[in-house]
Amino acid sequence: EVQLVESGGGLVQPGGSLRLSCAASGFTFSDYAMHWVRQAPGKGLEYVSAISSNGRSTYYANSVKGRFTISRDNSKNTLYLQMGSLRAEDMAVYYCTRYYMDVWGKGTTVTVSS
Amino acid sequence: QSVLTQPPSASGTPGQRVTISCSGSSSNIGSNTVNWYQQLPGTAPKFLIYSKNKRPSGVPDRFSGSKSGTSASLAISGLQSEDEADYYCAAWDDRLNGYVFGTGTKVTVL
Repeated sequence: EVQLVESGGGLVQPGGSLRLSCAASGFTFSDYAMHWVRQAPGKGLEYVSAISSNGRSTYYANSVKGRFTISRDNSKNTLYLQMGSLRAEDMAVYYCTRYYMDVWGKGTTVTVSS
Repeated sequence: QSVLTQPPSASGTPGQRVTISCSGSSSNIGSNTVNWYQQLPGTAPKFLIYSKNKRPSGVPDRFSGSKSGTSASLAISGLQSEDEADYYCAAWDDRLNGYVFGTGTKVTVL
């Protein structure tokens, strides 16, 4: 079964850092570009970041550029999102999704509050 | 922020047909395929329609998609109570070099 499982969410103070992980299984992870998408409470979906299959190319939404870093470890079938200088507006459920955005994880919740 | 525009809400009675529009531009819908997602409360988005009008296995044929120029539509025929959810369109944007999402449409079954 193709599966994505996010982890690493939690409560963090404004200005703090957090690293999200996404464990992939059931498909050849190294063949696929991957994405992070987030959803703030009561809001719509926002495309956050993407990384190519080999990790050499990345994309960031303007809202997170310079603060977030996407990476992957194909030997561990895992995608990461290092988040820094967190703001209240970064509070959301973070989903990882595969290249065609056909497979989604259940998400991990990031709460930014003092 | 959302680049694709959807109506905030749509509704119908059981059995009716409901259509949701998604308006974009030449850099996204105009030149790339459109995906549609269904999101039930408290759950992750579910892949519903891709490549204009293809459905992943398990998605009922009551759901169909279409595209014309820089706009796309999702139609739900034979509306059922379990179709009550939020629906989002998405497309790759060549100018932004990333995906863009629609603003989302809440479908209510009356």
